[in-house]
Amino acid sequence: GESVGLHLPTLSVQEGDNSIINCAYSNSASDYFIWYKQESGKGPQFIIDIRSNMDKRQGQRVTVLLNKTVKHLSLQIAATQPGDSAVYFCAESEGMLTFGGGTRLMVKP
Amino acid sequence: SQTIHQWPATLVQPVGSPLSLECTVEGTSNPNLYWYRQAAGRGLQLLFYSIGIDQISSEVPQNLSASRPQDRQFILSSKKLLLSDSGFYLCAWSPQGREKLFFGSGTQLSVL
Repeated sequence: GESVGLHLPTLSVQEGDNSIINCAYSNSASDYFIWYKQESGKGPQFIIDIRSNMDKRQGQRVTVLLNKTVKHLSLQIAATQPGDSAVYFCAESEGMLTFGGGTRLMVKP
Repeated sequence: SQTIHQWPATLVQPVGSPLSLECTVEGTSNPNLYWYRQAAGRGLQLLFYSIGIDQISSEVPQNLSASRPQDRQFILSSKKLLLSDSGFYLCAWSPQGREKLFFGSGTQLSVL
């Protein structure tokens, strides 16, 4: 089936810097995209989502950007904090979510 | 508000033993229910999903089965566990017609 993948398996950032986590998807028919945060030993938590009729959506300290032309999704975290350290998953959907492999974000104090 | 409960949090089982993991959802009716497995440091693999009581779809052939005896209860079972069944099992739900999933806290299964 179609797949969703991530460019960087591990991202290390300094506390206070902005983080950008990237995701490529291959199903051009996908119309819904979502980011999850998973802390060690816990279930994934919803961060933010976006429909294909939008190219940007903002939440609290997070922004999701969608570029349908190149099938690229990104999650931007402003002023990264130690509590942001986790694995981040993107997922795309044409009716049911398909998850990418995840990126580990490490925040250095 | 809706909540999802999954138990146990950790489980150590010998090879060949049976398995039963339970998941319940509160505060909603007729949810879609899902079982995922996650190998250490890896992504999420969809095992089963259900759109209603006794309506189960299997995504991958395996040593596991799922049942939904009640609207908000989803059970993952095995008659005889294999070493390869070890992993982190996650239950999730979504509202009917919606894709956004809400995950449980997970069960870490170690088969020895």
